[in-house]
Amino acid sequence: EAQVTQNPRYLITVTGKKLTVTCSQNMNHEYMSWYRQDPGLGLRQIYYSMNVEVTDKGDVPEGYKVSRKEKRNFPLILESPSPNQTSLYFCASSLVLPRVTDTQYFGPGTRLTVL
Amino acid sequence: KQEVTQIPAALSVPEGENLVLNCSFTDSAIYNLQWFRQDPGKGLTSLLLIQSSQREQTSGRLNASLDKSSGRSTLYIAASQPGDSATYLCAVHSGGGADGLTFGKGTHLIIQP
Repeated sequence: EAQVTQNPRYLITVTGKKLTVTCSQNMNHEYMSWYRQDPGLGLRQIYYSMNVEVTDKGDVPEGYKVSRKEKRNFPLILESPSPNQTSLYFCASSLVLPRVTDTQYFGPGTRLTVL
Repeated sequence: KQEVTQIPAALSVPEGENLVLNCSFTDSAIYNLQWFRQDPGKGLTSLLLIQSSQREQTSGRLNASLDKSSGRSTLYIAASQPGDSATYLCAVHSGGGADGLTFGKGTHLIIQP
């Protein structure tokens, strides 16, 4: 089954404790990205990757890192999490952007709470 | 900068009614527009994607229209069912490869049995 998976689905942590949220897709997609969703703000892009070893900042990259060593994986790293990073995080992938026919596929989300 | 607005923010209707969700965007230079469905505890599911050159797309009871020149899209749901209850998100792709999707804040839809 074609899908985007994220782990963990739920995480409660404390300020300053490094964490990684994994994202994996099995569709051989080149483009992957991370979004965060906050009440009243909607979804906003954090980082994206056009291909292996190619990453770039989205709208709200501060406090986050990413890497793309393999095509299928795109982990999101919070080196020193802070309470304002409490949010619902989504990983997404698509074959290629900006092909006009592309659809983005989203993972199930990771709910992160930073105390 | 592209901005996407969805009206109404919430909607509650009896089962069986036809309904329209609205989406507007400020920059008409888009590649495509997508409608997503979001269920609690689950990810986003793409419902319909309309390319910039298209006027509408249909899937089952769903019909999405696009008027790029006026910066508007509508999602029409026919014969609504309780299973249609969810948050519906509109998103536009404006960028040339680098940009992600710009999302509206969604319409929270409740279909009363």
